[in-house]
Amino acid sequence: DAKTTQPPSMDCAEGRAANLPCNHSTISGNEYVYWYRQIHSQGPQYIIHGLKNNETNEMASLIITEDRKSSTLILPHATLRDTAVYYCIPSGFSSNTGKLIFGQGTTLQVKP
Amino acid sequence: DAGVTQSPTHLIKTRGQQVTLRCSPKSGHDTVSWYQQALGQGPQFIFQYYEEEERQRGNFPDRFSGHQFPNYSSELNVNALLLGDSALYLCASRSRDRGNEQFFGPGTRLTVL
Repeated sequence: DAKTTQPPSMDCAEGRAANLPCNHSTISGNEYVYWYRQIHSQGPQYIIHGLKNNETNEMASLIITEDRKSSTLILPHATLRDTAVYYCIPSGFSSNTGKLIFGQGTTLQVKP
Repeated sequence: DAGVTQSPTHLIKTRGQQVTLRCSPKSGHDTVSWYQQALGQGPQFIFQYYEEEERQRGNFPDRFSGHQFPNYSSELNVNALLLGDSALYLCASRSRDRGNEQFFGPGTRLTVL
């Protein structure tokens, strides 16, 4: 299983972009990078995933370096509701994939 | 469309007792996974079920067992409860053709006294 390194905590001003880094230097060639977040007292929420191309959806953008050893999740206009723990998780995509290995994540605090 | 639902929301048990937690997956999902989340930690994978069989298992003792029913709902059973089993138990469902995009329920908070 690939190991990940994320900063324990980050602050962001409301309305500004939040850039959350993740190092996953041992990721396998067939593993995707998944991002989840967990708002206090709720279950984790899927955000986005990617293999090697940059991805964007209604929640966030994901930038993956060319060597795939790191990635950055971007919340373009952070709101107070984005305050949560963010997890970067390398994982396969096959039908028998199912195990998510959560590390410590990054606690993002969005401030007014 | 209801998302993933879990019952009960809270539960208090004493050491040595047995507990059963229940999960209904999101509509259209055929796979259910269970996670344990201790206070201040990230969720830890317990096991995954699809086609009514356990397919993957994390590093948890045999006291933890599960079941999946034909309607894809699932149960998590824990026998001989220990104080250390106190945690938030999360159920997640997915459709296997959507990779590892999982939808989590709100969890069951288990307290063992």
